[in-house]
Order: sequence, then C-alpha cells, then structure tokens
Amino acid sequence: NAGVTQTPKFRILKIGQSMTLQCTQDMNHNYMYWYRQDPGMGLKLIYYSVGAGITDKGEVPNGYNVSRSTTEDFPLRLELAAPSQTSVYFCASSHDYLSPNEQFFGPGTRLTVL
Amino acid sequence: DAKTTQPNSMESNEEEPVHLPCNHSTISGTDYIHWYRQLPSQGPEYVIHGLTSNVNNRMASLAIAEDRKSSTLILHRATLRDAAVYYCILTITQGGSEKLVFGKGTKLTVNP
Repeated sequence: NAGVTQTPKFRILKIGQSMTLQCTQDMNHNYMYWYRQDPGMGLKLIYYSVGAGITDKGEVPNGYNVSRSTTEDFPLRLELAAPSQTSVYFCASSHDYLSPNEQFFGPGTRLTVL
Repeated sequence: DAKTTQPNSMESNEEEPVHLPCNHSTISGTDYIHWYRQLPSQGPEYVIHGLTSNVNNRMASLAIAEDRKSSTLILHRATLRDAAVYYCILTITQGGSEKLVFGKGTKLTVNP
C-alpha cells in the first residue's frame, strides 16, 4: 500500500491565484482530514470528512473548500490565495470502526503565497 | 477542549532512555491520551495511545498517572532516528469523528 499520497510536494502561488491540493489514500479509510502547519507550530484542522459526500469544517476552514466524491480522494481547494495561507498542508486518513482512531498522514505539501 | 502541556524541548544521548512528560489536568474520563511524533520534513506518525493502564508497543511505552492528569512517553533506548517533535494529544469527539488537537509538542534532540 502507498498509504496517503499528496501532490504537489511544493508550490508557489501569487496572491489571488487558486489551486487544488490533491490527497489520495489506498487503505479504504472512510475518515479523511486536512491540516495546516505554520512554522514552529502544531497542526490545525481545516476540514474533515467521515465518508464520500460528507464533509465538515474544522478549526480553520476560512479560505478553503473541500469535496469528497470518492472514498479514496479528498482534494483541498484554495480560492484567492493570500500570504496567510503560506503553510505546510497535511492530509490524513483513519479507520471509522476502530476507536480511538490512528491517523495516517501524508508527506505534506509546502505552499508559499507571494 | 482538553489541553496538554509539554516542555518545548528536551535533549538526550544516544542509547539512553528518554522520558517525555505531558500534563493534562483537564482530562475527562473518556479521553484517550495519544502520542504522535513528527520527524523533520515529514508528516506526523502515530506512536502510542492509552486510557488508564500503562501501554507498551514496539516503539515506546506510555506510563499514565493514577489520576490520569499526567503521562510520560518512554523511549527505552534513544537513537538518532528518534530525533523529532513529540506531540501529546487528547482526542475530542465532534460530529461523530475523533479529532486530534495538536499543541506545539516537545522537540527531542538526540546527541551521538
């Protein structure tokens, strides 16, 4: 299994541009998550999904959108990028029938907005 | 949200045991204590979790105080590969899903 994969690894955006961060998992997990990590800080939850077609906001959802059309994919959309969105973005997934859930993280996407 | 308190940094020598402390005085009866670690330039990875009893796995041991207001992650023999940021986390349940609420963690430096 590849686990959780994210693309791209790095990206530089100009202010006002848009982009989609891709996340795919091959573990048949229903739960998926998007986090951001600012320098020297812990991770903050942006959005999460408990299954295809179901998404909900986390702690810092403003400026982002998500969709979940399949179990495997959970893309994160940035509209009108701002310098405050410069961060490292991590996608994660977990089982839904094991409690507590162990989350499996991807390698991250480093985004810079100039 | 239940909060955890960890030292910002700790240092250890290779092949020596490391005890990473965590205070969680506001823990509720159903909160699990999780530990994740983040190696440089990688995503976090699960280390161990526990509820009331001490736990052991291939990576580490988790010692939980009797009143559950503190816990200690024990690496029995630190290696250079254990240099990472270690997060002590209490999960919260929201919308039917458990959430990990990350603090800043403890940065562990392992000296050769």
